[in-house]
Amino acid sequence: KAGVTQTPRYLIKTRGQQVTLSCSPISGHRSVSWYQQTPGQGLQFLFEYFSETQRNKGNFPGRFSGRQFSNSRSEMNVSTLELGDSALYLCASRPDRLNEKLFFGSGTQLSVL
Amino acid sequence: DAKTTQPPSMDCAEGRAANLPCNHSTISGNEYVYWYRQIHSQGPQYIIHGLKNNETNEMASLIITEDRKSSTLILPHATLRDTAVYYCIVRVISNFGNEKLTFGTGTRLTIIP
Repeated sequence: KAGVTQTPRYLIKTRGQQVTLSCSPISGHRSVSWYQQTPGQGLQFLFEYFSETQRNKGNFPGRFSGRQFSNSRSEMNVSTLELGDSALYLCASRPDRLNEKLFFGSGTQLSVL
Repeated sequence: DAKTTQPPSMDCAEGRAANLPCNHSTISGNEYVYWYRQIHSQGPQYIIHGLKNNETNEMASLIITEDRKSSTLILPHATLRDTAVYYCIVRVISNFGNEKLTFGTGTRLTIIP
């Protein structure tokens, strides 16, 4: 089975732009979660989607949004980028909500200049 | 929320057992202890989890103290591929059925040849 796939692997943007990141979960997995990882704050939960609905949300501003499609693929969008948004964005999938294991992708490294 | 405390770094000789401690003194009775690891440039990988009994799988063993205030992850025969950051996490499920995983700063384990 293919793992969680995130695209693109690297991205460079400038302040004020917006960005869309993509995540394809493991086949059969219906829950997709997003995390932000920075050296200073570590791994922080952004949101979780299940059956095309946001089910859980972390403490991030409204500039961070996401969606999930009927095939369980997910995208996250960050608008009006700030320098502090530079981070590794990780996607994780699992078969159902509250399933014990999260399966992570390798992430998208976003640099905001 | 239950917080975890881990040493920032540890070294272990190749072939020896690596014992990684974690303190979670504020854990509640129904909260599980999880361990993930993150190898450079990859997303976190699930290792093991437990509630109060000791657990073992093909990757590692988890020893949880009787009072559940601390635990130890044991990699029985460390190899160079085990060099990674190891995260000890307490998994909290809210009354609304939402999960919270708080990743701390982890322990950077270096396996020495």
